[in-house]
Parts: sequence; structure tokens; C-alpha cells
Amino acid sequence: GQNIDQPTEMTATEGAIVQINCTYQTSGFNGLFWYQQHAGEAPTFLSYNVLDGLEEKGRFSSFLSRSKGYSYLLLKELQMKDSASYLCAVRTSGTYKYIFGTGTRLKVLA
Amino acid sequence: EAQVTQNPRYLITVTGKKLTVTCSQNMNHEYMSWYRQDPGLGLRQIYYSMNVEVTDKGDVPEGYKVSRKEKRNFPLILESPSPNQTSLYFCASSISGGGTGELFFGEGSRLTVL
Repeated sequence: GQNIDQPTEMTATEGAIVQINCTYQTSGFNGLFWYQQHAGEAPTFLSYNVLDGLEEKGRFSSFLSRSKGYSYLLLKELQMKDSASYLCAVRTSGTYKYIFGTGTRLKVLA
Repeated sequence: EAQVTQNPRYLITVTGKKLTVTCSQNMNHEYMSWYRQDPGLGLRQIYYSMNVEVTDKGDVPEGYKVSRKEKRNFPLILESPSPNQTSLYFCASSISGGGTGELFFGEGSRLTVL
């Protein structure tokens, strides 16, 4: 079957660094995405990885290991506005379906 | 402004009364898709479309229909809604089905079926 696992909830302090992990098992792989979703709002795109390695984008970085079926999202210099759910999604190859994890709710404390 | 527009944003209906949720994008995107989001289950893809007249099932297509007669529109049709279709629905589009194309989401449509 197809499955994406990520922690349900995480808590961190303002100014700190947090790493949100995602493991996946899918039939085919054509890219891994991270989205941010604030409560009551639509998801917005954060990052995309299709090759192994680290992609950096300001305070946000995302890492992918295809052989391990593993990714993480790294958030640095946490701000209160980073309190949101973070969704890991895999696009499958051939069919262009998207499989989403259930999301990690991050709380940033002052 | 580049956007994905869904209507209605909120709807309460009764079992069996056909309804359509419209989705329109103004970015000339080829790829469009529908999702439902339920607590504890995350976002699940219902249907997607790679281009005009090309649609395919996602993971939870039962009870839904779609059509893609024009590039900008991708309506979601519930022919006979049931209470288990009560959910938050998102439409999303992407420049294409592959590549680095990120999904742009509409604001969501909260549907309640009594």
C-alpha cells in the first residue's frame, strides 16, 4: 500500500531549530513536497525535492533520501507565525497522483 | 492576481440533493485536482486532470464526478451526497502534472451533508 508517516504534533521555542521528519512508501516516486497550512487556511507550497540531498530556501530547508524513503523539513530561527501544520506529500510517477501525510502540527512557544 | 477560486465556500445540504462545487484558475495551468481534508486523515486526492478532457481517479473517487471541458474550470459534482461526504474540500492547480510544479490551492469549500 501507499503510506506517508509524519509526527502528529511538535512543540518548539521561538528562535530555535526544529526538524519535521517524513517517511514514505509509495508505488513510484516523482517528487516530494512540503506544504504549510495555517488553521482555517489553504496549504501553501514550501519546498520540492526530487533528487537526494538538501534544498535550502531562506529559513526553510528540505532533505530527501530516496533509498531510505525519508525526508525532513528543517525550520530555523523559529517565529510565532511558523505555528501551523506541515504537510509532506509525494507525487507518484506515471499516474501523477499526490499522496499526503496527515500533517505535523507545530506549536511555537514564546 | 493569480488565484484558484472555489464556490461555494460553505454549504449545508441534505442527503441525495445533487450539488456542484466549482473551481476556476486564471493561471493557464494544465493540471487541476480535488482533495478532501478530514481530521486525522489528512488531504486525500479525489480526482485529477492532466488537461482538457483528461481526468483520472485519485484515492477516494467514490461518490464524486468531475469534468474538464475548459482549461480553467474543474467542477466537482456530488450526484447524491451522503453524510460521509461532509468534509473540507480543496481544489488545486499546477502548471503541469510533472516537473517542479507546485500546487496552488483554492481557499476551500466546507460542505455539510445532513
